[in-house]
Amino acid sequence: DADVTQTPRNRITKTGKRIMLECSQTKGHDRMYWYRQDPGLGLRLIYYSFDVKDINKGEISDGYSVSRQAQAKFSLSLESAIPNQTALYFCATRRQGGTEAFFGQGTRLTVV
Amino acid sequence: GIQVEQSPPDLILQEGANSTLRCNFSDSVNNLQWFHQNPWGQLINLFYIPSGTKQNGRLSATTVATERYSLLYISSSQTTDSGVYFCAGNHYGGSQGNLIFGKGTKLSVKP
Repeated sequence: DADVTQTPRNRITKTGKRIMLECSQTKGHDRMYWYRQDPGLGLRLIYYSFDVKDINKGEISDGYSVSRQAQAKFSLSLESAIPNQTALYFCATRRQGGTEAFFGQGTRLTVV
Repeated sequence: GIQVEQSPPDLILQEGANSTLRCNFSDSVNNLQWFHQNPWGQLINLFYIPSGTKQNGRLSATTVATERYSLLYISSSQTTDSGVYFCAGNHYGGSQGNLIFGKGTKLSVKP
C-alpha cells in the first residue's frame, strides 16, 4: 500500500458542485500539503498544515478550503467547482525541518 | 524573489545517450529534491540531496549548495526515462517549510 494515499484518483464534476479530495498517510509525518499542477507548469501550493491545529494558505488558496481531521488525514474541498479548477492535484507529507517530501499518486479533477 | 529554475525546458535524446539537467535555486531555498513525473502523472522521488553527490543506478545527482545549483545526470538513457523531471527546494524562513518547484524539464527518449 502507498504511504500517501489520495482518493479519488479521477473525478469529473459539474460546475457549481461541491467536491472533496481526501489524503491519508501512514508515514507519521506532521506536515501535510495540497498542490495543484496545470499543464506545462510546476506544482503550486494551495494549503498546508503543520499539525492538526495549524492551517495555512498557500500561493493559490482562493476557491479552496481544507480540513485536517487527524495527523494522518488532510482533505481539500472545492465549495463550488469552476472549470479553471480542472487540474492534477497532489497531496504531500514531510517531517518538520525541511526534510524529504513524499507525494500521493495524484487526483485528476475535471470540472465541466 | 524565491526561485527554482530548471534548464533545459525540453530535451530529446536517442536511447543510450547521456544527459545533464540543471536546477538553480535562490537564497532561502535549500534541501533540494529531484522527482520524475511518469506518463501517468505520478511523482517519483529520485533524490533528496541538500548537498554532495548521490547515485542510484544510471542516475546521479550533485548539489553545490554554496553556488546554489543542482545537477541530475542520466546515463545510458532508456525510453522509460521519458517524462518530466522536477527539482524542488525547501523554502525556509517566512513561509517555513514549503516546497517550491521548478517548471520541469520534459525529457523524450527515442528508441
